[in-house]
Amino acid sequence: DTEVTQTPKHLVMGMTNKKSLKCEQHMGHRAMYWYKQKAKKPPELMFVYSYEKLSINESVPSRFSPECPNSSLLNLHLHALQPEDSALYLCASTPTGGSSYNEQFFGPGTRLTVL
Amino acid sequence: GQQVMQIPQYQHVQEGEDFTTYCNSSTTLSNIQWYKQRPGGHPVFLIQLVKSGEVKKQKRLTFQFGEAKKNSSLHITATQTTDVGTYFCAGQTDQAGTALIFGKGTTLSVSS
Repeated sequence: DTEVTQTPKHLVMGMTNKKSLKCEQHMGHRAMYWYKQKAKKPPELMFVYSYEKLSINESVPSRFSPECPNSSLLNLHLHALQPEDSALYLCASTPTGGSSYNEQFFGPGTRLTVL
Repeated sequence: GQQVMQIPQYQHVQEGEDFTTYCNSSTTLSNIQWYKQRPGGHPVFLIQLVKSGEVKKQKRLTFQFGEAKKNSSLHITATQTTDVGTYFCAGQTDQAGTALIFGKGTTLSVSS
């Protein structure tokens, strides 16, 4: 299995809803990432997990809450989002959790719309 | 902060013409990676360059990393309609660890 999967593919939620995005990989990768991508923009790093521990939080608002239950799974819990949070949310993984320089495998993303 | 500038933002070519996108970093990079994102898709890794002055080829694509490890280019020879998409360069630094610093991307359109 050489891919990163993300569910759901699309999500529409209201500003008072609580929802979660899920990311899964079975490549044995020990670093996993959440990115936010707006239209016609590059991916913006949100969080990095290295060996299931949060190693980077790029000053993301607390309405986004990441969770890494095990080495294969990464969740992003959403609560009280704003319309400007509508974007494509990408998950990625790399083989090692250190500062080795490895390609990032991106999942297909979840397209989120906040009404 | 650390930035990677990428130009041009958009490029339209006729099929068969060549295409080049350039990236320039404000700081020395430990490596640079290139990704392609098709319309409606997600970024897909193309290549990683690590050594100063490195040149790598993949069929019609040629990637270069500058001697100072601050700039890079991607050149496509004889573009095809399948080359359509946005090409991102993404650098890593010793300070940033595994985090990628993405350029803004170059969106390539090709008419036949």
